[in-house]
Amino acid sequence: KAGVTQTPRYLIKTRGQQVTLSCSPISGHRSVSWYQQTPGQGLQFLFEYFSETQRNKGNFPGRFSGRQFSNSRSEMNVSTLELGDSALYLCASSGSQVNPNEKLFFGSGTQLSVL
Amino acid sequence: GESVGLHLPTLSVQEGDNSIINCAYSNSASDYFIWYKQESGKGPQFIIDIRSNMDKRQGQRVTVLLNKTVKHLSLQIAATQPGDSAVYFCAENPGGYQKVTFGIGTKLQVIP
Repeated sequence: KAGVTQTPRYLIKTRGQQVTLSCSPISGHRSVSWYQQTPGQGLQFLFEYFSETQRNKGNFPGRFSGRQFSNSRSEMNVSTLELGDSALYLCASSGSQVNPNEKLFFGSGTQLSVL
Repeated sequence: GESVGLHLPTLSVQEGDNSIINCAYSNSASDYFIWYKQESGKGPQFIIDIRSNMDKRQGQRVTVLLNKTVKHLSLQIAATQPGDSAVYFCAENPGGYQKVTFGIGTKLQVIP
């Protein structure tokens, strides 16, 4: 079974631009979440989607948004990029529909650099 | 202001020795705990989990211990191998589906 796939692997943008990152979960998984990883803050939860609905949200500004499609694929968007948005953005999926505690399967991430 | 990187604790162990990685968690309401391993250039990978109604769980070469009284988790790796070199994160999930809180991580270096 293929793992979680994130594209692109690397991205370079300039301040003020916007960016869209893509995530394809493991086949059959319907929950997808996004995390930001930086040297300064570690791994931080951004948001989670299940059946095209946002189920949980972290403490990030409104410039960070996401969505999930009917095939469970997800995208996240960051508008008006700031230097501090440079990070590794990780997507995770899990297969449970009702179990609130289930291990996450992570992709390799998209490394975003904002210049 | 200038951001300061988290200072990752580092544990250096000789190949073949046992490793113990410790973690303090913050939320007394958390009822599910997970250890993840992250190798360079990859996303975190699940190692082992434990629910709050247990105090010990064993996997293949790994054991997780949970002390709810002092909110402490530990991961024990038996017969550490070079392939175990990575950053290890403890994580807690207070019933929030995929909303997981990660610790800062511990870097494990295995000396051949």
